[in-house]
Amino acid sequence: QKEVEQDPGPLSVPEGAIVSLNCTYSNSAFQYFMWYRQYSRKGPELLMYTYSSGNKEDGRFTAQVDKSSKYISLFIRDSQPSDSATYLCAMSAGTGNQFYFGTGTSLTVIP
Amino acid sequence: GAVVSQHPSRVICKSGTSVKIECRSLDFQATTMFWYRQFPKQSLMLMATSNEGSKATYEQGVEKDKFLINHASLTLSTLTVTSAHPEDSSFYICSARTAFLAVTQYFGPGTRLTVL
Repeated sequence: QKEVEQDPGPLSVPEGAIVSLNCTYSNSAFQYFMWYRQYSRKGPELLMYTYSSGNKEDGRFTAQVDKSSKYISLFIRDSQPSDSATYLCAMSAGTGNQFYFGTGTSLTVIP
Repeated sequence: GAVVSQHPSRVICKSGTSVKIECRSLDFQATTMFWYRQFPKQSLMLMATSNEGSKATYEQGVEKDKFLINHASLTLSTLTVTSAHPEDSSFYICSARTAFLAVTQYFGPGTRLTVL
């Protein structure tokens, strides 16, 4: 079983839609959860960083962590064509620990 | 803040030659740098972790004699692909971590290596 599972998609939505991206994981020791956005042929860009359970909001982006279900989500409100990218979840057990990445979900927002 | 650069962004070389890729943290000191490889439509595969001034730690299955990593300063790490072969063609990405916020990693823009 992989440490982190993420549906690769592709996911295609109309502009303005609410997008939900998800990852599940198996290691209950994970405490830190990140979402990265990667445009084609570019390096990943850190979007959101959450510690332990709960929600975190930043503009149109909301990250949710449910440790009891080992499930994390990223919501994008009012999606824009510029949001079209691959979204990678990543998680770690603690400072200095290895990162575990999901395979990424490819998102296309259609104008 | 937290900008990481990579050079070159793209390189094409002949089989058998060596290629050096530089990774620099521009506005912070990186105690740890990571090197990843990414195949098309796949996730990041960690190759090695390097701490400034010490030898890199390689992941299982990664040949340390083929992928030489040097982390000579707190702002620079290099990856040298020695005697490159077509199967080494890939997207190589570095990332850096600060001691202050040691959980997150900041990624470079990546280097596309094509070996003919």
